[in-house]
Amino acid sequence: QSVLTQPPSASGTPGQRVTLSCSGSSSNIGSNHVLWYQQLPGTAPKVLMYRSDQRPSGVPDRFSGSKSGTSASLAISGLRSEDEAEYYCASWDDSLRGRVFGGGTKLTVL
Amino acid sequence: QVQLQESGPGLVRPSETLSLTCTVSGASVSSGSHYWSWIRQSPGKGLEWIGYLFYSGNSNYNPSLKSRVTISLDTSKNQFSLMLSSVTAADTAIYYCVTAIDGVDVWGQGTTVAVSS
Repeated sequence: QSVLTQPPSASGTPGQRVTLSCSGSSSNIGSNHVLWYQQLPGTAPKVLMYRSDQRPSGVPDRFSGSKSGTSASLAISGLRSEDEAEYYCASWDDSLRGRVFGGGTKLTVL
Repeated sequence: QVQLQESGPGLVRPSETLSLTCTVSGASVSSGSHYWSWIRQSPGKGLEWIGYLFYSGNSNYNPSLKSRVTISLDTSKNQFSLMLSSVTAADTAIYYCVTAIDGVDVWGQGTTVAVSS
């Protein structure tokens, strides 16, 4: 049972915009930044977003992040087949004094 | 560019101690501005934070693992390590070492550990 809640699956067609959600609480997302990861099969998670809405260098601007209250979102515009992957959100939790994760959303590009 | 590389046995017997090492390049484990952490991923439980350690000694571990976990630094080798005692099949996972540079995570490629007799 993950501390952060993500829908297990999402889908979209090439060129479409999709939004992935992540829900937490006041002790994590409500008071800390959110990270988003993309994980392709057999590889380590790759950071797509940090500090809720900042993209590391090399991440396309098709990816954008936002946070409101105790929820966060990752939007992917101009969906491509290579975006098919597992997406995880994470945040610091003040009660745990550690990092917490969502269970991941499997994104399928139809 | 900071890079991390995990190493250690791929098979551990139940009740024994899992021991992994992370070799750091491009940064010093003696740096006071970086944390050194471990995260694992198992099919049944997704990504799970294990714990972190700063050079200052400031550390914290996941309460669910705290009684069995130790993270330590070896400054002479620029490495940090994970020890997890009394392992069971539930500890079978891919183990990643992780740090952060200017807020952006840096992950090792991960190492698979199976707990089995």
